[in-house]
Amino acid sequence: AQKVTQAQTEISVVEKEDVTLDCVYETRDTTYYLFWYKQPPSGELVFLIRRNSFDEQNEISGRYSWNFQKSTSSFNFTITASQVVDSAVYFCALSFTGGGNKLTFGTGTQLKVEL
Amino acid sequence: SQTIHQWPATLVQPVGSPLSLECTVEGTSNPNLYWYRQAAGRGLQLLFYSVGIGQISSEVPQNLSASRPQDRQFILSSKKLLLSDSGFYLCAWSNGRVGGYTFGSGTRLTVV
Repeated sequence: AQKVTQAQTEISVVEKEDVTLDCVYETRDTTYYLFWYKQPPSGELVFLIRRNSFDEQNEISGRYSWNFQKSTSSFNFTITASQVVDSAVYFCALSFTGGGNKLTFGTGTQLKVEL
Repeated sequence: SQTIHQWPATLVQPVGSPLSLECTVEGTSNPNLYWYRQAAGRGLQLLFYSVGIGQISSEVPQNLSASRPQDRQFILSSKKLLLSDSGFYLCAWSNGRVGGYTFGSGTRLTVV
């Protein structure tokens, strides 16, 4: 069975602080994909990143960076110099080949960035 | 380009009334289609998925059903709504290869 755990329910930071959102996953598949989505108050899901299980290179995109470590089954997300516009719920998700390519989500982390 | 349409955006329905939410995809053929629900303050739960016309897989036994009458149309229904059916419903599609999921803008359902 697939499982994604986001232990941090809510995080509050002051603007310009760095913040890391944790994601731990469980799967028995050797080929799988990991995702991060942002959900602003409007409710829409905004795709941030996809990473496959064979690519452990860390990725940086502007103020966003992702640290994928298969040894600890983690796919953590760091926002550098956070801004108020980063306030949202962030979801980590896992998918695998077969079975309709279903996407399994974590419970999400509510990030609040205050002035 | 591919687009996904989901409506209505907001819906308030009395307990015991029927429900029909519609999702359509444009610009692609034979997509995988999904219905997710997000209860207040919670994560996203997969309700149904479909890999083809008339093929529906249910993930969680509940008061809802889904149908796929056409290749790019996915409908979520209920004969009698319960209070616990309230939530934010999201439709999504993928191209059948893992990695590309597009979500609709969601329907916020309140059962009163």
